[in-house]
Amino acid sequence: GAVVSQHPSRVICKSGTSVKIECRSLDFQATTMFWYRQFPKKSLMLMATSNEGSKATYEQGVEKDKFLINHASLTLSTLTVTSAHPEDSSFYICSAPGTGNRRAFFGQGTRLTVV
Amino acid sequence: DAKTTQPTSMDCAEGRAANLPCNHSTISGNEYVYWYRQIHSQGPQYIIHGLKNNETNEMASLIITEDRKSSTLILPHATLRDTAVYYCIVRNAGGTSYGKLTFGQGTILTVHP
Repeated sequence: GAVVSQHPSRVICKSGTSVKIECRSLDFQATTMFWYRQFPKKSLMLMATSNEGSKATYEQGVEKDKFLINHASLTLSTLTVTSAHPEDSSFYICSAPGTGNRRAFFGQGTRLTVV
Repeated sequence: DAKTTQPTSMDCAEGRAANLPCNHSTISGNEYVYWYRQIHSQGPQYIIHGLKNNETNEMASLIITEDRKSSTLILPHATLRDTAVYYCIVRNAGGTSYGKLTFGQGTILTVHP
């Protein structure tokens, strides 16, 4: 079946630095990918839609200058958390819609801790 | 998307069937019922989806009422590894919009030995 790979699975960074998270569709192409954030004991919240070859679409309340999204190819989307602060610590998850099967495939998630 | 209502938590004995209900009384004609689950500290996993007919795959069965206002996910022989949060999501499946999901709080299913 379709596989979405997310890297890294866990990262600890210092406050003020930037962190890049990669999301790859391994055996299918994805012109669209989605980024979610999940705080402890909470549900997933959609942050943005990543579009190959064009600008990402951000959900209301998500700062586009803080969460930079690049969808450089049909198999790769990246999320960069810029000038990270402790409140950005969260579980970040990407997904891609499968082709012809009407289902979404999710990455393993990235646990970001900002210290 | 239509709103869904699920119980906060459920328990099930290992080896027994787990029946997880979901209410979606405002579902529209072109919306599918999807079920995903999330095991702790992992990304969600697709389980099953359906429009109006009952569906079965290697993981589970989905029973949708005739009026489509509610559904039940059935795990026929629950194992400890089925302990997870189960999300019932109603979504239009056109284009790639089925990839853009709105997650509620889900049902925490705990399978006991």
